[in-house]
Parts: sequence; structure tokens; C-alpha cells
Amino acid sequence: QKEVEQDPGPLSVPEGAIVSLNCTYSNSAFQYFMWYRQYSRKGPELLMYTYSSGNKEDGRFTAQVDKSSKYISLFIRDSQPSDSATYLCAMRGETSGSRLTFGEGTQLTVNP
Amino acid sequence: GAGVSQSPRYKVTKRGQDVTLRCDPISSHATLYWYQQALGQGPEFLTYFNYEAQPDKSGLPSDRFSAERPEGSISTLTIQRTEQRDSAMYRCASSSGFHNEQFFGPGTRLTVL
Repeated sequence: QKEVEQDPGPLSVPEGAIVSLNCTYSNSAFQYFMWYRQYSRKGPELLMYTYSSGNKEDGRFTAQVDKSSKYISLFIRDSQPSDSATYLCAMRGETSGSRLTFGEGTQLTVNP
Repeated sequence: GAGVSQSPRYKVTKRGQDVTLRCDPISSHATLYWYQQALGQGPEFLTYFNYEAQPDKSGLPSDRFSAERPEGSISTLTIQRTEQRDSAMYRCASSSGFHNEQFFGPGTRLTVL
């Protein structure tokens, strides 16, 4: 079983929809949680970064972490065609150094 | 530089050949990482450097894989006696500090025939 599980999709939504992306994990040592966005033929770029449990909002994006359930989410409000990409969750622990463990990514398409 | 660069962008090789991939991190970034990303998967950690030191190479899949960063800037990843299962995207990332944001390069697509 993988340490981080992510539904690969693909997910297709109409423009303006609210998108929910999720990951579950098994390693209770994970403390730092990230969401990366990866456009086709590009490297991943950091979208959201949260520490421990709670919510973080940045514009149309909200990241939620529920450590008790080992579950993290990314919500995208008023989705735009430019949001079409693969979204990867990533996480690490305090003592794992810089080693990030990624989910397999969810491919999102927002249709105009 | 303006961002992380990697070369070559594409590499096709025959099974059994050695290949060397290069990463040029963002200038002044102390920490450099190598990941392997299979098609449809997230990146998997291979190893990382803090300047020229290599504190963690536990993600390297076999002793055919090695990495260097002799002067604390440019890094190379070498795969000896390549096998078809080594075919993947190899990504490099750099960060300004140990726990800071990792900036990824465009990757090198390796195909082993």
C-alpha cells in the first residue's frame, strides 16, 4: 500500500464549478502538506503549503488538512480553463529531511 | 539562473548503456533534489544534496544509480547499465533552504530501448 493515495481521475468540470481534490495518507509522522500544480510538459509548481491541521486560503484556492483522519483536500472555487492541469499532493515529516512523498496526481480539465 | 534547468530534455538509449543527466539549479540554492517520475505517477524521491554533501540517497533504486554535486552547484545523475524499467522522467528541484519551497526543472525524459 502506498503511503499517499490520490484518485488519479481524470476529472472534468464546467467552468465556474467548485472542484474538490483529495489525498489520504498512512504515515502519521507527516506534518507538512503541499499541493503542486503540473501543466503538461512542465515541472510541478507549488500551489499551497500548510503545516499540521487546519485550513489555508489563497484566492480561489483553499487547502484543508485533517490529521485525525489523515486526509487532505484542495478546493478550487470558480474554476477556470487555465486551472486545467494535474494536481499533486505532497507531504513530509519533521524528521524526514527534505524528502517529499507525492500522490500520483489528479488530472483536472475545466471546460469553457 | 532564472530557474532550474536540465539537460538533455530527451534521451533515448539502448539497454546496457550508461547515461548521465545534468541539473543546473537556481543560483545560490543550497539544496538540490533528484526525483523519478513514471508516466501517470507523482515524483518519487531519489536523493538530495545540501551543497556538495549528500545526506540521503536512500531513494536510489539500485547501485547502478549515482549522483554527484562536486562543487555544490551543478549536479549529475548517472545510471549505469540502463534497463528498460529505468525509462521515466527524471526531475531535479532546488530550494534555498532545507525546508523551503522546492522549485522543479522541466525534467529529462529517458527512454531505454
